[in-house]
Amino acid sequence: GAVVSQHPSRVICKSGTSVKIECRSLDFQATTMFWYRQFPKQSLMLMATSNEGSKATYEQGVEKDKFLINHASLTLSTLTVTSAHPEDSSFYICSAPWDADTQYFGPGTRLTVL
Amino acid sequence: GQNIDQPTEMTATEGAIVQINCTYQTSGFNGLFWYQQHAGEAPTFLSYNVLDGLEEKGRFSSFLSRSKGYSYLLLKELQMKDSASYLCAARRSNYQLIWGAGTKLIIKP
Repeated sequence: GAVVSQHPSRVICKSGTSVKIECRSLDFQATTMFWYRQFPKQSLMLMATSNEGSKATYEQGVEKDKFLINHASLTLSTLTVTSAHPEDSSFYICSAPWDADTQYFGPGTRLTVL
Repeated sequence: GQNIDQPTEMTATEGAIVQINCTYQTSGFNGLFWYQQHAGEAPTFLSYNVLDGLEEKGRFSSFLSRSKGYSYLLLKELQMKDSASYLCAARRSNYQLIWGAGTKLIIKP
C-alpha cells in the first residue's frame, strides 16, 4: 500500500536553532500534503496545507515565518521550525491524500527543544 | 465553526464490546474518519463513512448519521492490543481533517 515517510523520526536541538523535517510520499504523487502538530494527550492540530508549486496555506494562529513549508516536488514536502524554543517541542506528523477517501500519515517526528 | 466531541477515556473488558461516540459540527463536511493511535505513533486508518449507515469491517464497525452530526465506532471481541486512543476526524471538501481530541480506550483482562 501507499506509504508516507518522515525524517528524522526524533530530533533534539538547542533553543534558537532551526530544524528541518522531511515528508515523502514513497509510491504516489501528492500535490497536497498536510502538517499536523500534536502535544501530549491532545488532538492532532492542523498547522498548514502544503501545496506543490505554490505557497502553503497556514491555519489561524500558526506563524508562517516560524514554520517554513516548502513543497519542492510531487513527493516531498519539508517543514522547517526556525529559531526553535522549548514550547515548540511536540510530535509533528505529515499526511498525504492518496485518493478522495484515503489519507496516509507519516510516522511522525518527535521534536525536543532544550 | 468546527467542533468535534468524543469522550476522553473509556474502560472495557477483554472480549467485550465497546462503542465510542463522536459528534461533530463542521462546515463543508464530506465524510467521517476513525483512526487508531498508539502512544508515540502516527494514527492508522480504521474506517471512513460518507453515507448514513453502518459499515462493518471485521471486529470494527462504524456508523454515521449526517442529519444528527453523529458517528460511533463499535469494537467487538476486544483484545488487549486494542488499548489505544481512537480519534474521529471530519473531512472537509478540500481533504483537510478536523480532529477530535481522541478517546483513550483501556482494556482490562
